[in-house]
Amino acid sequence: EVQLVQSGAEVKKPGESLRISCKGSGYNFTTYWITWVRQMPGKGLEWMGRIDPSDSSTNYSPSFQGHVTMSADKSIRTAYLQWSSLKASDTAIYYCARRGGDYWGQGTLVIVSS
Amino acid sequence: SYELTQPPSVSVSPGQTARITCSGDALSKHYAYWYQQKPGQAPVLVIYKDSERPSGIPERFSGSSSGTTVTLTLSGVQAEDEADYYCQSADSSATVFGGGTKLTVL
Repeated sequence: EVQLVQSGAEVKKPGESLRISCKGSGYNFTTYWITWVRQMPGKGLEWMGRIDPSDSSTNYSPSFQGHVTMSADKSIRTAYLQWSSLKASDTAIYYCARRGGDYWGQGTLVIVSS
Repeated sequence: SYELTQPPSVSVSPGQTARITCSGDALSKHYAYWYQQKPGQAPVLVIYKDSERPSGIPERFSGSSSGTTVTLTLSGVQAEDEADYYCQSADSSATVFGGGTKLTVL
């Protein structure tokens, strides 16, 4: 069974760093890009970018370029999304999804508040 | 980058047909994908490559494409279909979502 399992909810302060994860199972992890999607409270889906787990090449949305970093460790079948300095406006649910959108993680709620 | 435009809301009575459109120049060159999202849940793929239906998705969900507009059609809408629906398209390096359409079943 294909699964993407994300790390748990986080509560952080502005300026703090954070890394959340997305672990794949049930399929060849290096065959499918992993995309990251943001959903701010009460808002729609926003594509953040994607990473190819086979070689860690990335494409970022211009809206997120420079503010987040995507990485992957294929040896443990895990993709990561990280921030070096969080802002209150980063408060959202973050989803990972397999290329093609057929499987999604359950989402990770990130709350940034002083 | 490019944009995909959806109506904010569509309302339909149970048993009727709901049509949700998505328009954008990129749709004439790239496939569209449709997702259903219910409150508190992750999105679920309901249509891929304009008109293909994933296994497990009811036959009442269908998709079509014409020029720069794609349409998600729900035939015989049921109360459980009330949700937000998002279209998505992608080129070789980027993906974009439409703004979403809230389907209300009256």
